[in-house]
Amino acid sequence: GAGVSQSPRYKVAKRGQDVALRCDPISGHVSLFWYQQALGQGPEFLTYFQNEAQLDKSGLPSDRFFAERPEGSVSTLKIQRTQQEDSAVYLCASSLVWGAISYEQYFGPGTRLTVT
Amino acid sequence: GIQVEQSPPDLILQEGANSTLRCNFSDSVNNLQWFHQNPWGQLINLFYIPSGTKQNGRLSATTVATERYSLLYISSSQTTDSGVYFCAVVSGAGSYQLTFGKGTKLSVIP
Repeated sequence: GAGVSQSPRYKVAKRGQDVALRCDPISGHVSLFWYQQALGQGPEFLTYFQNEAQLDKSGLPSDRFFAERPEGSVSTLKIQRTQQEDSAVYLCASSLVWGAISYEQYFGPGTRLTVT
Repeated sequence: GIQVEQSPPDLILQEGANSTLRCNFSDSVNNLQWFHQNPWGQLINLFYIPSGTKQNGRLSATTVATERYSLLYISSSQTTDSGVYFCAVVSGAGSYQLTFGKGTKLSVIP
């Protein structure tokens, strides 16, 4: 079946612009995660949704970052007034979840954001 | 939060050689995954292995949860195995997000 998809794959923004990054999870996956990967580093957690509820946003680096998943499927990560330090690859992942069990996460190809 | 340490950070192998990658973690885990990040940046799932041993072709993995480590074995390495290998864990009650190690960069030369 189809995996996690993300768009756009590449985005160049001038400093101060707003950007919106989209994630389509695997059909039927309840959980959706956003991660940020800086060059040469491992991905770092940003935020987590279970259906449409944002249960954890502790990893969002500033109030310029905002994520939503209004119908419990597609999610959008929005970054307002982009700064150079926002340049990174933004990864989306989805998984099943049931109670306290943490299931396998599957990642999309990522969006590479470059802020100039 | 939980600490995840991977070793070695870099590894260069001749094609056909075997290798072992290690992942140590500082607390009990609910989930442990191994990924291969290819040169295009895609994270490819290798194993979901919070405990026990699994094998998939030339790759196998073992997690000893009580001793807080996991090992990834690559046998008869090929140039297509090159890339970065990440270990990632989920730890803590009610927690679902993965915490990644810094990765092992593997280069397989012909």
